[in-house]
Amino acid sequence: EAQVTQNPRYLITVTGKKLTVTCSQNMNHEYMSWYRQDPGLGLRQIYYSMNVEVTDKGDVPEGYKVSRKEKRNFPLILESPSPNQTSLYFCASGEGALAEEQFFGPGTRLTVL
Amino acid sequence: AQKVTQAQTEISVVEKEDVTLDCVYETRDTTYYLFWYKQPPSGELVFLIRRNSFDEQNEISGRYSWNFQKSTSSFNFTITASQVVDSAVYFCALSLSTGGGNKLTFGTGTQLKVEL
Repeated sequence: EAQVTQNPRYLITVTGKKLTVTCSQNMNHEYMSWYRQDPGLGLRQIYYSMNVEVTDKGDVPEGYKVSRKEKRNFPLILESPSPNQTSLYFCASGEGALAEEQFFGPGTRLTVL
Repeated sequence: AQKVTQAQTEISVVEKEDVTLDCVYETRDTTYYLFWYKQPPSGELVFLIRRNSFDEQNEISGRYSWNFQKSTSSFNFTITASQVVDSAVYFCALSLSTGGGNKLTFGTGTQLKVEL
């Protein structure tokens, strides 16, 4: 089944404790992206990747890191999480360089205390 | 810069009523894509429709229909004979094929509540 998977689905952590949210897709998509969803703000892009070893900042990249060592994986790293990073995070992947349609993972609900 | 506006924060209707969710977008590009996603209480994003900027034909899928009007930069979504299962947050989104990285710009969403 074609899908985007994220782990963990739920995470409660404390300020400053490094964490990684994994994202994997099995559709051989070149494009991958991370979004965060906050009440009243919709979804905003954090980082995106056009292909392996190519990543770039989205609208709200501060406090996040990403890497794209393999085509299928695009982990989101929070080196020192803070309470304002409490949010619902979505990973997405898209076909080709233009990625007109993006497929979303199930979401990761992160709480930083 | 692109922008999507969903002015209706929350709509409540009684089952079987028709309801229209508004979406207004801004972009200077001539090639773009518009989307609607549904987010039920379980939280996942469910793709509903994609429309490119060169196709202004309205579309109907069962109880759902979409009205795309470039003249008013709107892409409205109508649910006919609403049902309780339609209760969700609905997002309109805009995608530009800029070649420098594709991004979905989302509206802030409309919470639809369908009551018995």
